[in-house]
Amino acid sequence: GNSVTQMEGPVTLSEEAFLTINCTYTATGYPSLFWYVQYPGEGLQLLLKATKADDKGSNKGFEATYRKETTSFHLEKGSVQVSDSAVYFCALVNPNTGNQFYFGTGTSLTVIP
Amino acid sequence: GAGVSQSPRYKVAKRGQDVALRCDPISGHVSLFWYQQALGQGPEFLTYFQNEAQLDKSGLPSDRFFAERPEGSVSTLKIQRTQQEDSAVYLCASSLGTAVGSYNEQFFGPGTRLTVL
Repeated sequence: GNSVTQMEGPVTLSEEAFLTINCTYTATGYPSLFWYVQYPGEGLQLLLKATKADDKGSNKGFEATYRKETTSFHLEKGSVQVSDSAVYFCALVNPNTGNQFYFGTGTSLTVIP
Repeated sequence: GAGVSQSPRYKVAKRGQDVALRCDPISGHVSLFWYQQALGQGPEFLTYFQNEAQLDKSGLPSDRFFAERPEGSVSTLKIQRTQQEDSAVYLCASSLGTAVGSYNEQFFGPGTRLTVL
């Protein structure tokens, strides 16, 4: 079946620290991989995506590389800001088995000044 | 252009009441999805429509949950005889279309937060 496992939180970092949130997946075939972000009081927003192996998704200084050999899609940012405080969800869509998203449980990030 | 909208944004129900949650997808989007997000968890798939056809309802947790999209646009998720475990945020997403083996980006609405007392 399809599933996503992501790093448990909460994560607390100082401003300008390096961020890594781990995500691994299980899926048959070639899923598309995503990171969504949910800011306090707001809905889910797409942060970045990658649709095939070795693709790198990037947005707002965040990056993630689709690694099929390790079935991973870890989220990284070189220097976090207070405004990055949010909950981050790793997700996959497997078009060969349907088009619904499979989400991880979310990782809460708090960045302190 | 407007995004996906959902109403109401917040709903409080007494246990045993019926509730109806509405989703207005982006105009022209063929596919519509419902997800349930319990507190502290990621969203979980409930059901999927392509136009007015409900093609997958495998995620609906019980027969108290019912969804419809009669004209292929607006969708309603109905929960009968609500229970406390139904308390969650209900998310709707829409996309341009689907075909097996391809992917169309899904756009999420803000959700309806349901609290069952």
